[in-house]
Amino acid sequence: DQQVKQNSPSLSVQEGRISILNCDYTNSMFDYFLWYKKYPAEGPTFLISISSIKDKNEDGRFTVFLNKSAKHLSLHIVPSQPGDSAVYFCAATTQTGANNLFFGTGTRLTVIP
Amino acid sequence: DGGITQSPKYLFRKEGQNVTLSCEQNLNHDAMYWYRQDPGQGLRLIYYSQIVNDFQKGDIAEGYSVSREKKESFPLTVTSAQKNPTAFYLCASSERQGNTGELFFGEGSRLTVL
Repeated sequence: DQQVKQNSPSLSVQEGRISILNCDYTNSMFDYFLWYKKYPAEGPTFLISISSIKDKNEDGRFTVFLNKSAKHLSLHIVPSQPGDSAVYFCAATTQTGANNLFFGTGTRLTVIP
Repeated sequence: DGGITQSPKYLFRKEGQNVTLSCEQNLNHDAMYWYRQDPGQGLRLIYYSQIVNDFQKGDIAEGYSVSREKKESFPLTVTSAQKNPTAFYLCASSERQGNTGELFFGEGSRLTVL
């Protein structure tokens, strides 16, 4: 049973516009959420995270929003750049940490120049 | 440069053979992990180790074995008991137990069973 879901396998956005990647989860015990970015033939790299005590976390062009009541989080990239083209994984965990990290299936973002 | 090195990058195996994937890190991290990625699925945890000489099963440990004799090394053996071993395997590490999920990943090893 997939506890973390990314329902859009792919997304295309024009350079300079906003990219919005969505993620839903089912387990109300999750209290820490992360986004990872993966280029082809490379391992995922950590991008940004958010604790359940917040509803927004911002890091440069990347902002993650958390809606606990809807069990939904989203990653906004503004402005989108061609170098952002990659697969983005959403992940969630409880306070016990990385050994119970649950990943979504990923969304492939393509930023068109 | 600090990081995680996985080898080999590509591996072909005949059915019935065991194969070992190497994972080495020089980040001085205590915890190490093995994940498996299949098309259309998220990463799934195979095994993890929080300290030398100790490791725990993840969600899909059947058909796999690991060892953690050194802090830097966490090799994964895919045994003949693994029914569907063709996949992309990712090794990761983190600073300490209880780390909130910020993992450092290797570049992965793609295993194909012929």
